[in-house]
Amino acid sequence: SQKIEQNSEALNIQEGKTATLTCNYTNYSPAYLQWYRQDPGRGPVFLLLIRENEKEKRKERLKVTFDTTLKQSLFHITASQPADSATYLCALPPSGGSYIPTFGRGTSLIVHP
Amino acid sequence: GAVVSQHPSWVICKSGTSVKIECRSLDFQATTMFWYRQFPKQSLMLMATSNEGSKATYEQGVEKDKFLINHASLTLSTLTVTSAHPEDSSFYICSASATREVSYNEQFFGPGTRLTVL
Repeated sequence: SQKIEQNSEALNIQEGKTATLTCNYTNYSPAYLQWYRQDPGRGPVFLLLIRENEKEKRKERLKVTFDTTLKQSLFHITASQPADSATYLCALPPSGGSYIPTFGRGTSLIVHP
Repeated sequence: GAVVSQHPSWVICKSGTSVKIECRSLDFQATTMFWYRQFPKQSLMLMATSNEGSKATYEQGVEKDKFLINHASLTLSTLTVTSAHPEDSSFYICSASATREVSYNEQFFGPGTRLTVL
């Protein structure tokens, strides 16, 4: 069955460092992958989308890579700030023609000042 | 643009009562709205998809008689949890799309509603 895996352990890093979060998937051949940010008690906010034919996508301090061979996406935040502390979710479209993304459980990022 | 609101942001109710949650698209017409449920430290689980003017499509395992969804207008969808029980306590999030075929980043999420059933 299709599975999305994100590290359930929180990632703690120091301010100014680069945070790297991982999203692995199995039994999927997604046409695209999305990353969202979710703050406690809030709904997700869309950050970036990367298509299967794109290796890398950037937006300000964010960078996403998509390796369809490894079935993995990496999400990087450079020069991290305490305000970046949140849970980051990856989402992929399920198979079967549905357009509605399936979400991973997310990884919590904590940036320490 | 593309703002989705939910009301209430939190609600506490007694077991056996019904609770209605509203989801509104404030600055666009939402052809399609989605309802999700999220338990602590878990992923968002899609409950149902509703298109304006038609019956909602429920995901497998979601009881349609328990979770009543109404999408009466292009800016409002409601989720009613009927005869709520403590196991229904969760974070309910709606999202809205301006198209029937949601793809890419066309889905905009509301802030969520925390339901606690005593």
